Amino acid sequence: GIQVEQSPPDLILQEGANSTLRCNFSDSVNNLQWFHQNPWGQLINLFYIPSGTKQNGRLSATTVATERYSLLYISSSQTTDSGVYFCAAPNNDMRFGAGTRLTVKP
Amino acid sequence: DTEVTQTPKHLVMGMTNKKSLKCEQHMGHRAMYWYKQKAKKPPELMFVYSYEKLSINESVPSRFSPECPNSSLLNLHLHALQPEDSALYLCASSQGRSYEQYFGPGTRLTVT
Repeated sequence: GIQVEQSPPDLILQEGANSTLRCNFSDSVNNLQWFHQNPWGQLINLFYIPSGTKQNGRLSATTVATERYSLLYISSSQTTDSGVYFCAAPNNDMRFGAGTRLTVKP
Repeated sequence: DTEVTQTPKHLVMGMTNKKSLKCEQHMGHRAMYWYKQKAKKPPELMFVYSYEKLSINESVPSRFSPECPNSSLLNLHLHALQPEDSALYLCASSQGRSYEQYFGPGTRLTVT
């Protein structure tokens, strides 16, 4: 099955900083999702982005399907952005990356 | 409404107990999923139901038994679990396979 790799595994930021999270996938994907898992375990849908760029407030995502990667940008980070960010490819079944654990310090 | 609900939120059970986890969605989705997530790991797919038929079973032990009574409901029956089965169990649904998935809040299971 498809392999999904995320980097970096851990990221510590000061509040207000910007960051870029990366997701590489081993094969063509029909679609790609980004999630934020909060400390209570809830997986929150951030983007459903098979290709191109989408923006939602301080967050944006870009997927370059031909080069098999996706990027998640977080600008002006806040402490509430802390948690784990997953990308996943729902090609018939859902394969998750290992996640990026983000800590935003006040 | 993009809500998937799961009950109970927390469950503690002994190794000889039988219990069930429940999941419900009212988005008209035709695919539903069970995932298992251990601490500091990503979710791992256990079962997929598509149009109320089991289409993927990722080599899950038989002590986990899924059931899809109708297109809105998904159950996971638990029997004779082991302590290593303690985890967060997540349910998800989507319009169809390969479409955007929406997750419930999960059931945190502890097996004693």
